[in-house]
Amino acid sequence: AQSVTQPDIHITVSEGASLELRCNYSYGATPYLFWYVQSPGQGLQLLLKYFSGDTLVQGIKGFEAEFKRSQSSFNLRKPSVHWSDAAEYFCAVGAAPPGGYQKVTFGTGTKLQVIP
Amino acid sequence: DGGITQSPKYLFRKEGQNVTLSCEQNLNHDAMYWYRQDPGQGLRLIYYSQIVNDFQKGDIAEGYSVSREKKESFPLTVTSAQKNPTAFYLCASSSRWGQETQYFGPGTRLLVL
Repeated sequence: AQSVTQPDIHITVSEGASLELRCNYSYGATPYLFWYVQSPGQGLQLLLKYFSGDTLVQGIKGFEAEFKRSQSSFNLRKPSVHWSDAAEYFCAVGAAPPGGYQKVTFGTGTKLQVIP
Repeated sequence: DGGITQSPKYLFRKEGQNVTLSCEQNLNHDAMYWYRQDPGQGLRLIYYSQIVNDFQKGDIAEGYSVSREKKESFPLTVTSAQKNPTAFYLCASSSRWGQETQYFGPGTRLLVL
């Protein structure tokens, strides 16, 4: 079974600073990888996804993520954080065994605080 | 605009009561899902449905029931057997089961009186 770890529960950055949120996964084959963002009391919004191909993925709101197979990681980055980026971020890994269902497993989330 | 709607936004349950959470999508998606979210635990899968008239238990199905009589609707009932129902419930859909992205509704917060 696959699993995903987000080692940072809470991160604080200054507005304008760069951001990197960590995500490590465990899965035997090539996974499908996602980053979602959630504002308080809201649903999850897809930021970006990796299925195959180029390992550097561009998403919405200026975010990008890089799939590194050797490190089993899919870290989310943004070069300059805006106050509106304050939210909770979830990494997710999907697996589709032959003939089976794509089970998506979510990490426990990283809360981002942005200070002026 | 296409999307997923969930109602109500807040729901209160009394002891011994069954309550039903609504989820509707107009994305023409085949697959639909229900997740439960608790602080610090991420999302846990309750039930999923790949097509109409078919659904499967997820990781934490005990105390919950679903139906899928229409493609666009996937209601979740929280029964009295669910002893700790207080949580944020999220409905999602994807165009088909498999290698597809899941899109989420705005959620329903269930509280126990």
